[in-house]
Amino acid sequence: GAGVSQSPSNKVTEKGKDVELRCDPISGHTALYWYRQSLGQGLEFLIYFQGNSAPDKSGLPSDRFSAERTGGSVSTLTIQRTQQEDSAVYLCASSRGSGGAGYEQYFGPGTRLTVT
Amino acid sequence: AQSVSQHNHHVILSEAASLELGCNYSYGGTVNLFWYVQYPGQHLQLLLKYFSGDPLVKGIKGFEAEFIKSKFSFNLRKPSVQWSDTAEYFCAVNAAQQGGKLIFGQGTELSVKP
Repeated sequence: GAGVSQSPSNKVTEKGKDVELRCDPISGHTALYWYRQSLGQGLEFLIYFQGNSAPDKSGLPSDRFSAERTGGSVSTLTIQRTQQEDSAVYLCASSRGSGGAGYEQYFGPGTRLTVT
Repeated sequence: AQSVSQHNHHVILSEAASLELGCNYSYGGTVNLFWYVQYPGQHLQLLLKYFSGDPLVKGIKGFEAEFIKSKFSFNLRKPSVQWSDTAEYFCAVNAAQQGGKLIFGQGTELSVKP
């Protein structure tokens, strides 16, 4: 079946502009996650959504970052007033559930964001 | 705060050599443990996971890992590596009481010489 898809695959933006990154999870997966992969910081958790619960935003690095998940499916990660340190690969993952049962997270191909 | 430490940043082996990649985590509660692999140009994919039961878990492509609770470790092993195992390997921890988020180690780049 279809995996997690992300768009765009590459995004180049000027410092100070806003960007939106999109994630389509695997159908039926209730949990959706955003991570960031950068050279200096490795793979960092940003935010996750589980069903209708309030999202866990504990990994968002600043208030310039926000995310929403509409209808329990597609998610958009928005970065306002981008800075050069935001340059990274943004990964989305989804899973059938979350928490104690160790559900596998399936990762998308990522969006490579470059801020010039 | 939870953290995950992978001891080796870059490992270079010849084919047929044995592999062991170290992973230690800091968290006192119940954890789920994962190894993910990223082959060149591909997505992250799961190699194996532990969440309960036998602490020795077997994954795809001949990989295995052992959870040693007393040492807070989850080392990855393979008795004989192949050139196709060249990839980056990530250890990750999920604290069972804190939802599904994964905390990743910094990754280990494995290069296997043919």
